[in-house]
Amino acid sequence: NAGVTQTPKFRVLKTGQSMTLLCAQDMNHEYMYWYRQDPGMGLRLIHYSVGEGTTAKGEVPDGYNVSRLKKQNFLLGLESAAPSQTSVYFCASKPDRSLSTNMNTEAFFGQGTRLTVV
Amino acid sequence: LAKTTQPISMDSYEGQEVNITCSHNNIATNDYITWYQQFPSQGPRFIIQGYKTKVTNEVASLFIPADRKSSTLSLPRVSLSDTAVYYCLVGDHVYSSASKIIFGSGTRLSIRP
Repeated sequence: NAGVTQTPKFRVLKTGQSMTLLCAQDMNHEYMYWYRQDPGMGLRLIHYSVGEGTTAKGEVPDGYNVSRLKKQNFLLGLESAAPSQTSVYFCASKPDRSLSTNMNTEAFFGQGTRLTVV
Repeated sequence: LAKTTQPISMDSYEGQEVNITCSHNNIATNDYITWYQQFPSQGPRFIIQGYKTKVTNEVASLFIPADRKSSTLSLPRVSLSDTAVYYCLVGDHVYSSASKIIFGSGTRLSIRP
């Protein structure tokens, strides 16, 4: 059971380039989230999804797009990378409490993707 | 979403009990209180979750007073490995599919020998 896996772990982009970050979870969770974390700061929610085919904006959605074509995958895209998007990106997944017998609905996080835009 | 306020940093020593208090004056009826722990270069990890009174697991205890406007995470007999950032989250994300999981700035806990 791999949990939440993020690909790639590290990436350096030039300004203006595009890329896609992949998040995959094998826990059959309904909800998935993308966060960014800048040095010394807390996590900020970029986009999230409450189910296959659905996405919604978080706190800092500008400059990012997402897609959830399959339940187990949540993709984060940067169409034209900017230095301000240099950050560590975390993906998370969480079960729908109404579908789970677990009293807690904890979110499970990936190990992060360190992205540098030069 | 209820706003949370917690200390920016705390220091303690190995073997001590550490209590981190989080204020959430605007907590709503359906909101739960959840704490996460984050080590450097890792994603956050769930510690404990509660709605009211006291919750205890193998890692920590969570104390919630009757008015639920604050909560206290208690870590018994901390060790150096408890050095991390601790986040207090408040929201109805337990049952509501529409709710987001929003993190604040967290409390940076440093444990000394």
